[in-house]
Amino acid sequence: AQKVTQAQTEISVVEKEDVTLDCVYETRDTTYYLFWYKQPPSGELVFLIRRNSFDEQNEISGRYSWNFQKSTSSFNFTITASQVVDSAVYFCALRAGFQKLVFGTGTRLLVSP
Amino acid sequence: DTEVTQTPKHLVMGMTNKKSLKCEQHMGHRAMYWYKQKAKKPPELMFVYSYEKLSINESVPSRFSPECPNSSLLNLHLHALQPEDSALYLCASSRGLAGGESRNEQFFGPGTRLTVL
Repeated sequence: AQKVTQAQTEISVVEKEDVTLDCVYETRDTTYYLFWYKQPPSGELVFLIRRNSFDEQNEISGRYSWNFQKSTSSFNFTITASQVVDSAVYFCALRAGFQKLVFGTGTRLLVSP
Repeated sequence: DTEVTQTPKHLVMGMTNKKSLKCEQHMGHRAMYWYKQKAKKPPELMFVYSYEKLSINESVPSRFSPECPNSSLLNLHLHALQPEDSALYLCASSRGLAGGESRNEQFFGPGTRLTVL
């Protein structure tokens, strides 16, 4: 069975602070894909990144960076110099084989000015 | 164009009404999905269409009836809903390559916020 755990329910930071959102996953499949989505108050889920199980390279995109560690089954997401527009719910998700996309419970990020 | 559109944005209906939610994508994707999302919860999968055929029904009550008229359109017909069906209904699409589907990211629409009175 697949499972994604996002232990942080809500995080509050002040603008320009760095913040890391944790994601821990469980799967018995050797080939799987991990995703992060952002859901602003408007409701639409915005795709941020996909990572496959064979690629443990960290990735940076502007202020966003992702740290994938198979040894700890974690796929953490860091926002550097946070901005008010980063306020949203962030979902980590996992998919393997023909299984459905499994979401974590989400982390609500509040960035105040 | 990486956009999935959904209409209407908001819908209020009574328990005896019949209504439909519509979803459209023009990315050439061959897999389309309906999700239901309650407040402060992650999206829950309802249906998956692959190449215009229903491939997954997550034991959804028959008062929800999906339809895929063509590769770009996905409908969700609603009839005799209950107040607990009030939620955000999200449509998504992905490339849908057979055998490699799990690697394809899903692109979501803005959702329809449904209220059942």
